[in-house]
Amino acid sequence: QKEVEQDPGPLSVPEGAIVSLNCTYSNSAFQYFMWYRQYSRKGPELLMYTYSSGNKEDGRFTAQVDKSSKYISLFIRDSQPSDSATYLCAMSGMNSGYSTLTFGKGTMLLVSP
Amino acid sequence: EPEVTQTPSHQVTQMGQEVILRCVPISNHLYFYWYRQILGQKVEFLVSFYNNEISEKSEIFDDQFSVERPDGSNFTLKIRSTKLEDSAMYFCASREHNTEAFFGQGTRLTVV
Repeated sequence: QKEVEQDPGPLSVPEGAIVSLNCTYSNSAFQYFMWYRQYSRKGPELLMYTYSSGNKEDGRFTAQVDKSSKYISLFIRDSQPSDSATYLCAMSGMNSGYSTLTFGKGTMLLVSP
Repeated sequence: EPEVTQTPSHQVTQMGQEVILRCVPISNHLYFYWYRQILGQKVEFLVSFYNNEISEKSEIFDDQFSVERPDGSNFTLKIRSTKLEDSAMYFCASREHNTEAFFGQGTRLTVV
């Protein structure tokens, strides 16, 4: 079983739609959860960062973590063509300041005008 | 806004040659990382570096790889004898303690 599973997509939506991106994981030691956006041949850009379970909102983005189900989500409201990119989930354990990130494979999102 | 910078953006090298990829992490960060991403695949951890030594490394990070922080600002990844399968995007990242990691724009390494 892979540590982090993420549907690669592509996920195609019209402009203005609500987008839901998800990851599941198997390692219960993960405590820090991140979502990155990656444009083609560019570095991952941090979007959201959450610790343990719960919700976090930042503008049009909402991150949710359900540790009991080992499931995390990123919601994008009022999606824009500029949101078209690959979205990577990443996670790491606790009690380790240098803890490494384990990434999902990324979901490609296409928002059409 | 502070950012992680990487040079060069693209490096082409012949198989068997040595390459050095360079990174300048965010200045007050304490933990430094190298990750790589083979085209179409997931981002994979290579090595983490803290307090002037390697703190963790993956199976990928074998004897052909080494890292160094030669001064107070630069963080380098050396690949001693490149192989075709080393062709990938290499990302440097840095973070403070238990905070999010920030990534550079990457160096695209092409081994021919």
